[in-house]
Amino acid sequence: SQQGEEDPQALSIQEGENATMNCSYKTSINNLQWYRQNSGRGLVHLILIRSNEREKHSGRLRVTLDTSKKSSSLLITASRAADTASYFCATDAQGAQKLVFGQGTRLTINP
Amino acid sequence: DSGVTQTPKHLITATGQRVTLRCSPRSGDLSVYWYQQSLDQGLQFLIHYYNGEERAKGNILERFSAQQFPDLHSELNLSSLELGDSALYFCASSNHLGNTEAFFGQGTRLTVV
Repeated sequence: SQQGEEDPQALSIQEGENATMNCSYKTSINNLQWYRQNSGRGLVHLILIRSNEREKHSGRLRVTLDTSKKSSSLLITASRAADTASYFCATDAQGAQKLVFGQGTRLTINP
Repeated sequence: DSGVTQTPKHLITATGQRVTLRCSPRSGDLSVYWYQQSLDQGLQFLIHYYNGEERAKGNILERFSAQQFPDLHSELNLSSLELGDSALYFCASSNHLGNTEAFFGQGTRLTVV
């Protein structure tokens, strides 16, 4: 079964608005990562947050991690049409030596 | 460009056949991961190799096998293909065993007819 589960499965917003996606996972982790995938293409790494970090920023991206709730959120501020893609969280569980992905959130930015 | 190269980009083959997918990791990366992405299953972890050794295995079918060669490129072999094996197959590489970002190739789209 998948380690991470994203919520919502799909999100449609207007350009300029903020988009928030959530991820929940099941086991203890070394880190949690977010990736973007444009339709049918390879995944692109966005940001990695380690288990001892609570918040991280990268440009218009803000990621939070709550290890007590086993959850993370990705916030994209001031969205653009080019942000339209699927977003996946991936967890690197302790000792597992593999990245396990959730089912993803399909984000659509409407002009 | 992630630096990870996968060939071929597209593959169409018949049921019962065998195919080999190839992955060249980023220069210097020792870890290679294989994933299968289909519409109804999401991104499924198949297998992880590090410096030629298998390090983790996911829900990989017995009809599938993989290896990593001394030059660090990897191959995923799929045999006795079924219609349900149609999917995008990705490989990713990283420079450690874990706890670091992975770089993905553009994938091989396999269609079994």
